[in-house]
Amino acid sequence: AQSVTQLGSHVSVSEGALVLLRCNYSSSVPPYLFWYVQYPNQGLQLLLKYTSAATLVKGINGFEAEFKKSETSFHLTKPSAHMSDAAEYFCAVSVEAAGNKLTFGGGTRVLVKP
Amino acid sequence: EPEVTQTPSHQVTQMGQEVILRCVPISNHLYFYWYRQILGQKVEFLVSFYNNEISEKSEIFDDQFSVERPDGSNFTLKIRSTKLEDSAMYFCASSEGTGPAYEQYFGPGTRLTVT
Repeated sequence: AQSVTQLGSHVSVSEGALVLLRCNYSSSVPPYLFWYVQYPNQGLQLLLKYTSAATLVKGINGFEAEFKKSETSFHLTKPSAHMSDAAEYFCAVSVEAAGNKLTFGGGTRVLVKP
Repeated sequence: EPEVTQTPSHQVTQMGQEVILRCVPISNHLYFYWYRQILGQKVEFLVSFYNNEISEKSEIFDDQFSVERPDGSNFTLKIRSTKLEDSAMYFCASSEGTGPAYEQYFGPGTRLTVT
């Protein structure tokens, strides 16, 4: 079975500072990895996904993530935080054998300070 | 932009009552899902549905749960006899195709409170 661990349930960053959200996965077969964002009172929106092509994946809103197999990680970064980045972020994993089932991490809530 | 919608946004029910959570997936999507998130816990997969059949379900999805696509637009989750531990946010999602390469689009969720 697959699993995802997100380090830090809450992260506080200053506006303009680097955003780094950590995600580690466990999977016995090649994984597909996703980052979703949830703004208040909205559904989960896909930020980016890794599907075994390039290891550095660029997503929407200036976010990117790098797949590192040796570290079983898929950390999400953004060079410069904006107030609008305040939201909850979820890392998720899926594998071909699991069909469409997404397995999520616990989520990280990001607070952006002016 | 097309979106998944869910109603109601918040449902309060008494233990033992039946509830139906409703979802309208994106119109050309063929695969439908329910996930739930108990407060403070992870988002968990419940069930996937395709061609009027359950494709996959988790251990959580026991006989108290059922899903249905009663018409061409709605996708529902029924909990037959609610328990306190069913209190959670329930998310509906849909996708165009099957497999991890297809994005799942999520609705805003229904918060179910069982008292």
